[in-house]
Amino acid sequence: EAQVTQNPRYLITVTGKKLTVTCSQNMNHEYMSWYRQDPGLGLRQIYYSMNVEVTDKGDVPEGYKVSRKEKRNFPLILESPSPNQTSLYFCASSPSWATNEKLFFGSGTQLSVL
Amino acid sequence: SQQGEEDPQALSIQEGENATMNCSYKTSINNLQWYRQNSGRGLVHLILIRSNEREKHSGRLRVTLDTSKKSSSLLITASRAADTASYFCATDVNTGNQFYFGTGTSLTVIP
Repeated sequence: EAQVTQNPRYLITVTGKKLTVTCSQNMNHEYMSWYRQDPGLGLRQIYYSMNVEVTDKGDVPEGYKVSRKEKRNFPLILESPSPNQTSLYFCASSPSWATNEKLFFGSGTQLSVL
Repeated sequence: SQQGEEDPQALSIQEGENATMNCSYKTSINNLQWYRQNSGRGLVHLILIRSNEREKHSGRLRVTLDTSKKSSSLLITASRAADTASYFCATDVNTGNQFYFGTGTSLTVIP
């Protein structure tokens, strides 16, 4: 089944403790992206990648890192999480970076930073 | 700043009625997409409309685009309780390769 898989689904952590949220897609998509969703603010893009080893900042990249060493994986790293990073996170992928392609979303990761 | 803004923020209708939600955006676009999100889950693509198109249909969905007004509307006809969800528009800008999502319209369909 074609899908975008995110793990974990829920995560509670403490301020400053490094964490990684994994994202994997099995559709051989070139484009992958991370979003955060906050009440009243909609979805905001954190980082995106147009292909292996090609990443770029979205609208809210501060406090996050990403890497794209393989086509299928695009992990989101929080080196020193803070409470303002408490949010619902989504990974998405698309066949290419062209905006006439639809995005396929993962099921989300609800992160709470205490 | 956000590119797309949906209106209304929340909409409650009876089953069988039509639901209309609107999206306004700020700068010229190439494409506009509509997505649906069931309570806290991942978004699912509904329909894409290109800047040179004025209307598209998919099943019970009808999308219009007015580039002169920088707005789009999503109409769901003969709504069902299962249509209860949040609906988002996503716009690109014609110089970029990113999508910008609005804050969404929360639709409740009462059986």
